[in-house]
Amino acid sequence: EIVLTQSPGTLSLSPGERATLSCRASHSVSSSYLAWYQQKPGQPPRLVIYDASTRATGIPDRFSGSWSGTDFSLTISRVEPEDFAVYYCQHYGRSPQQTFGQGTKLEIK
Amino acid sequence: EVQLVESGGGLVQPGRSLRVSCAVSGLTFYDYAMYWVRQTPGKGLEWVSGISWNSDTIVYGDSVKGRFTISRDNAKNSLYLQMNSLRAEDTALYYCAKGRGLTIFEPIDYWGQGTLVTVSS
Repeated sequence: EIVLTQSPGTLSLSPGERATLSCRASHSVSSSYLAWYQQKPGQPPRLVIYDASTRATGIPDRFSGSWSGTDFSLTISRVEPEDFAVYYCQHYGRSPQQTFGQGTKLEIK
Repeated sequence: EVQLVESGGGLVQPGRSLRVSCAVSGLTFYDYAMYWVRQTPGKGLEWVSGISWNSDTIVYGDSVKGRFTISRDNAKNSLYLQMNSLRAEDTALYYCAKGRGLTIFEPIDYWGQGTLVTVSS
């Protein structure tokens, strides 16, 4: 089973700053099966990035995804007030089951 | 507009059973894999189960394997989760979710609002 470890647990930034969230997989995974979700309080998650680097429909281009080996990153070039939320990574390949990371909370500094 | 509406949650005693349902509208239901994902209040997401478009592929998370059964009725645009031998640790908000494609190896692009299951005596 693939374990996804997200860091940091909490990221405190001011609007306009650059955010980099990390997700490390315990085993080698295909980059084609990694997604990022955004969740705000009282709402279900929202797909942000899939296939490691493809933006979902309606996601602004300040969001980007990248990877190197087993390390995946979600970057927000300039954080907007509406971006403060919890972000989860997910592996949706043949693990043999899908898994989520434990989440990173992006909060206002 | 795509809508996923869960129902059937509630309070149930440990060891008992419960069936939750999800009614889907606004899309061609049989074109997509479906999932159940749960979230403990204030905690993270846990993938529970996934089912392919034609029910040919079904996978369960380790914590529910042997106790939960996922199914779908494409004629009724509905997804189900039969939960048996419930435990306190199954207490969570259960989300119905839609995959981007036919197989279960797809990200989730739509989520319901969830139905709360509480297991307690």
